[in-house]
Amino acid sequence: GAVVSQHPSRVICKSGTSVKIECRSLDFQATTMFWYRQFPKKSLMLMATSNEGSKATYEQGVEKDKFLINHASLTLSTLTVTSAHPEDSSFYICSALLAGLSSYEQYFGPGTRLTVT
Amino acid sequence: EDQVTQSPEALRLQEGESSSLNCSYTVSGLRGLFWYRQDPGKGPEFLFTLYSAGEEKEKERLKATLTKKESFLHITAPKPEDSATYLCAVQVYNFNKFYFGSGTKLNVKP
Repeated sequence: GAVVSQHPSRVICKSGTSVKIECRSLDFQATTMFWYRQFPKKSLMLMATSNEGSKATYEQGVEKDKFLINHASLTLSTLTVTSAHPEDSSFYICSALLAGLSSYEQYFGPGTRLTVT
Repeated sequence: EDQVTQSPEALRLQEGESSSLNCSYTVSGLRGLFWYRQDPGKGPEFLFTLYSAGEEKEKERLKATLTKKESFLHITAPKPEDSATYLCAVQVYNFNKFYFGSGTKLNVKP
């Protein structure tokens, strides 16, 4: 199946600093990638849709100035958490959309555990 | 409003005890329904996509079915390694949207 990687898998940062998370589709090109956040024992919460070459579309309630998304190529999207605070600590998961002739399938990365101290 | 509801929230089975997980949805213009498996601390792993009512797909001990209002994930003779959270998601015709259910946490005891 299609493979999506995320880096880093875990990161600890101090309050006020910025953290960048990379999401790569390894064996296919993805025009569209998604960024999710998952709280303990909860389902996935869509944060934003990232489209290659254009601005990301953010879901209601997600601060675009805090969660900067860049999708510079067909295989790479990045999420930068700016001026991180402890409440930003969470599990962040990206996914990439694989478009077929008559289907769209979404493949997920392994996730990044962010801890802000 | 588009919604996806999964039940039960948690399910405990004995090894070999077959059961079904439910995913009911109310969306406008279903493009596809997806099932994923998620292990703790990992990203969801793709299992199946179903596109039209009546469609069925199988993979090892898992079988997914779809009607116009819901999907079932049947687990036949489960093993402890099937323990995980199972998520369903629906994709609407505005394909940039996937709506996830809250998941069913399955625990299979040996």
